[in-house]
Amino acid sequence: DAKTTQPPSMDCAEGRAANLPCNHSTISGNEYVYWYRQIHSQGPQYIIHGLKNNETNEMASLIITEDRKSSTLILPHATLRDTAVYYCIVRASSSGNTPLVFGKGTRLSVIA
Amino acid sequence: DAGVIQSPRHEVTEMGQEVTLRCKPISGHDYLFWYRQTMMRGLELLIYFNNNVPIDDSGMPEDRFSAKMPNASFSTLKIQPSEPRDSAVYFCASSPTQGTGKWYFGAGTRLSVL
Repeated sequence: DAKTTQPPSMDCAEGRAANLPCNHSTISGNEYVYWYRQIHSQGPQYIIHGLKNNETNEMASLIITEDRKSSTLILPHATLRDTAVYYCIVRASSSGNTPLVFGKGTRLSVIA
Repeated sequence: DAGVIQSPRHEVTEMGQEVTLRCKPISGHDYLFWYRQTMMRGLELLIYFNNNVPIDDSGMPEDRFSAKMPNASFSTLKIQPSEPRDSAVYFCASSPTQGTGKWYFGAGTRLSVL
């Protein structure tokens, strides 16, 4: 699976959009981009995933660049409860349920 | 569904004692994963099962660690004897075969070995 690079930490004002970047320049054609987050003292939680098209669900939006070398997770209206560590993970679609490999992620602090 | 259930939530034990952590996956999920999380090393995969069969245990630190899945609804992770460096949060996760990468994690067991 391709390696990802994320900033170690970010701040965001409550109510504003949080834009979390992820670089995955070595991504291959069959690899998906997944985002998980971990709120303090809880297990990781799935947020969203995508291959090449932008995706949106009730939690967030995922914007993948045309060359697929980077992506951005967008939390449109961040709340204090969105304070967490956000993990960007690249994983091959053909890997079935082979394990997720977590990096260090980005620690997002939402500030009132 | 109640989600992935882990027990106990907290465990404090003394060095040398046996520790058993438990996990109940989501019904119908046939993959189960055990992870360990520490400040220094982050989230590390220990072992995972498919249809109750261990597939990859290369992440198990040493022979003191063992994991079993006697049936589709229950798994254990045992440490014997425990050591202070085993102190960590242990997470269990499950997913269905026809998954889309959407895994479900339990709340974790915080283990402290004194």
